[in-house]
Order: sequence, then structure tokens, then C-alpha cells
Amino acid sequence: DQQVKQNSPSLSVQEGRISILNCDYTNSMFDYFLWYKKYPAEGPTFLISISSIKDKNEDGRFTVFLNKSAKHLSLHIVPSQPGDSAVYFCAASAPTGANNLFFGTGTRLTVIP
Amino acid sequence: EAGVAQSPRYKIIEKRQSVAFWCNPISGHATLYWYQQILGQGPKLLIQFQNNGVVDDSQLPKDRFSAERLKGVDSTLKIQPAKLEDSAVYLCASSSQVQETQYFGPGTRLLVL
Repeated sequence: DQQVKQNSPSLSVQEGRISILNCDYTNSMFDYFLWYKKYPAEGPTFLISISSIKDKNEDGRFTVFLNKSAKHLSLHIVPSQPGDSAVYFCAASAPTGANNLFFGTGTRLTVIP
Repeated sequence: EAGVAQSPRYKIIEKRQSVAFWCNPISGHATLYWYQQILGQGPKLLIQFQNNGVVDDSQLPKDRFSAERLKGVDSTLKIQPAKLEDSAVYLCASSSQVQETQYFGPGTRLLVL
């Protein structure tokens, strides 16, 4: 049972425009959400996170929005750059003793110069 | 600061053979995780250590997979015997404490023939 879903396997965006990557989750116990970026042959790299007590977190060109009622979060990249081309994974965790991250299947972003 | 180190980077074996992966976490990180990422899917947690104790191994196929972190620093993950469906990337991650951000190594890509 996939508790975190990324329904768009791929996204292409022109350089300089906004990239919006979406993520949905089903487990209402999740209270912490993260985005990881992955280049080929490398491990996932932490990008940005958000706690369920917030609805927005911003770090430079990256902003994550959380809509708890819809169980939906999104990552906005503005402006998009060719170096942003990678696979982006959404992940979530619940406030249990362990820190088990549940990952989505990823969205491949291609930024076209 | 050095990142999470993993070896080998690639491994090809035949089914029913044994294989072992090694991980050295970021210095000072008490929590270590092993994930399995099958092609086209997001990473899935196999086991989590806090120092040299197991926090969560509920998703580890214990009939064939084993892991240890004897001195609370580096860790090994073993598969014996391997099956075709074990072909995946095995990612190691570490965090300073259980609820902190996880940082991933480059992964070991396993192909079982």
C-alpha cells in the first residue's frame, strides 16, 4: 500500500519558469514531510522539509506548501535552472519512536535550457 | 564533513549466492538506516539502528537478510541466499538522532542473475 504518492512520473519545464511538483499522502498520522533530490548514480540529497504545524516553508528558490486537509504537498522551484534536472522524491514520517521515512515513487524533472 | 560512504558501488551475483554491503555513516551520527530501492519505486526502509541497537526491522526479510552494527559506527547488510527480486539499489543513510534529517550515501546497485 503506497502511503505517499507522486502521480506525475515526469515534468518538463523551460529554464526560468516555475516547476511545481506534487505529492499526496494517505496516512493522517504523518506530521513531517521532506523533499529529496536525486541525480543518477548518487543517493538522494535532502532539499527542504516542512512540519505539519506549518503550511509553507521557503529556502531560496525552493518553497514547499502543505495542505493538511487535502493531504497534499507541493514543491515550487522558481526560477528553474538546468542544474535542477533530477528525480525528486517526496517523503513523510509519523511521530513514532522510529524515523521511518515513507517515500513516493519520484518525479523526473527536466529543465530545458 | 565527509558524507555517508558505501561499498561496493556495484555488484553482480547469481541467484542463491551471498552478498554483503558496507556502510560508514557521517561521523557522530547515532542513527543508521538501510533502504532498498527497486527500479521505478521510492526507497523502502529495511532496518534502522540507534547506536548498535535495532529500532525498526519490521520490513526486513529476515529469512534471507541480516544486518549488524556491532560497534555503533559502520554497518553491514547481508543477503543469503539472493533471489532475482533482490535486484535493487541498497541505500544507507544516517542522522544525528532518530528524529533528525537523514543523509544518504551513493548506494550499492545489486543485480541478481
